[in-house]
Amino acid sequence: GDSVTQMEGPVTLSEEAFLTINCTYTATGYPSLFWYVQYPGEGLQLLLKATKADDKGSNKGFEATYRKETTSFHLEKGSVQVSDSAVYFCALSDPTGGGNKLTFGTGTQLKVEL
Amino acid sequence: DTGVSQDPRHKITKRGQNVTFRCDPISEHNRLYWYRQTLGQGPEFLTYFQNEAQLEKSRLLSDRFSAERPKGSFSTLEIQRTEQGDSAMYLCASSLPVSQETQYFGPGTRLLVL
Repeated sequence: GDSVTQMEGPVTLSEEAFLTINCTYTATGYPSLFWYVQYPGEGLQLLLKATKADDKGSNKGFEATYRKETTSFHLEKGSVQVSDSAVYFCALSDPTGGGNKLTFGTGTQLKVEL
Repeated sequence: DTGVSQDPRHKITKRGQNVTFRCDPISEHNRLYWYRQTLGQGPEFLTYFQNEAQLEKSRLLSDRFSAERPKGSFSTLEIQRTEQGDSAMYLCASSLPVSQETQYFGPGTRLLVL
């Protein structure tokens, strides 16, 4: 079945550091890939998405490129801020699995310090 | 667009009691999803509706769980004879009826079974 593997956290960075959170996936078809973010005390928010190979999703300085050859969708940001502290979830939606349900990774907590 | 809303936000109950949660999707969204998120894990798919039809159910959804969407608008998720293992965050999401369309999440209902 479909699965998503992302790097374990917590990841602790200083403000303005470069961020990479690794995400790899297994899917039977051609999934869409998503990054969701969960700020403390809030619900999941879509951060960015990519629907086909080589697409790059971007939002708020975050980027991720859909790499079919490596089945990866790593999240990057060039300069993190304290306000980026949150839990980040990688997810996929595979229409061949039936429906549009999302399969999530376990989440990576990011802590950004001054 | 007022977003996806869920009620209640928190529920504490005793083992063996029944509980019901409500989700109101974004008004023009035909698809509605339920997920469960336990501490330190990503959300796991439970079930989804297109309009009033329940199109898919996860094997996580035991016979103690039932979900309805009677008029294709709001949905309810009922858990009968709750167990301590049911303690989790229950998330609702909605989307347009387009393949691979973004799902928008509500704030969740946190259930604690004592």
